[in-house]
Amino acid sequence: AQKVTQAQTEISVVEKEDVTLDCVYETRDTTYYLFWYKQPPSGELVFLIRRNSFDEQNEISGRYSWNFQKSTSSFNFTITASQVVDSAVYFCALSEAPNTGGFKTIFGAGTRLFVKA
Amino acid sequence: KAGVTQTPRYLIKTRGQQVTLSCSPISGHRSVSWYQQTPGQGLQFLFEYFSETQRNKGNFPGRFSGRQFSNSRSEMNVSTLELGDSALYLCASSLTGKEGYTFGSGTRLTVV
Repeated sequence: AQKVTQAQTEISVVEKEDVTLDCVYETRDTTYYLFWYKQPPSGELVFLIRRNSFDEQNEISGRYSWNFQKSTSSFNFTITASQVVDSAVYFCALSEAPNTGGFKTIFGAGTRLFVKA
Repeated sequence: KAGVTQTPRYLIKTRGQQVTLSCSPISGHRSVSWYQQTPGQGLQFLFEYFSETQRNKGNFPGRFSGRQFSNSRSEMNVSTLELGDSALYLCASSLTGKEGYTFGSGTRLTVV
């Protein structure tokens, strides 16, 4: 069964600190997709990154980086030199392709990040 | 280009009524998914549509239904509303479903 666990409910850091958001997933599929989304106080979910199950390369985009490890079923997200604008709820998500076709994406519970000036 | 548009933004209904929410995906996107977001349950998958066909459905009662039209626009309907249906309903679209989704701003439904 699909499951996404974000064990950190809330994290509070001071600006310029690095912070890592953890994501652990469960799936029986060999082909799946992992995502991170950001939900700022304005409420609209914003897509950050997608990784497919065959691509374990880490990725860096500016201050953001992602570490995908199939051996531990983890897809962690690090923000370097955090800024106040990074304050948001961050969701990790897993998408499988059931036999019915199409995709079913489930989300973790989210991690609320507070960055203080 | 225009994003995902959901209407209405806010809705207040009484128990027992029914409601229809609308979603216009990004032009060219054929996959539309719906989610319910509540403080207690988080983001829960409702259903996914592609080319007018429901491909997947979450664990919600039959009171929750949806459809997709030939222009990819989608609607979801909730009948016999209950207080627990109060939530933010989010629609998201993508080209085929395996790309990252673009979300709308949501419809906040309050059932009184």
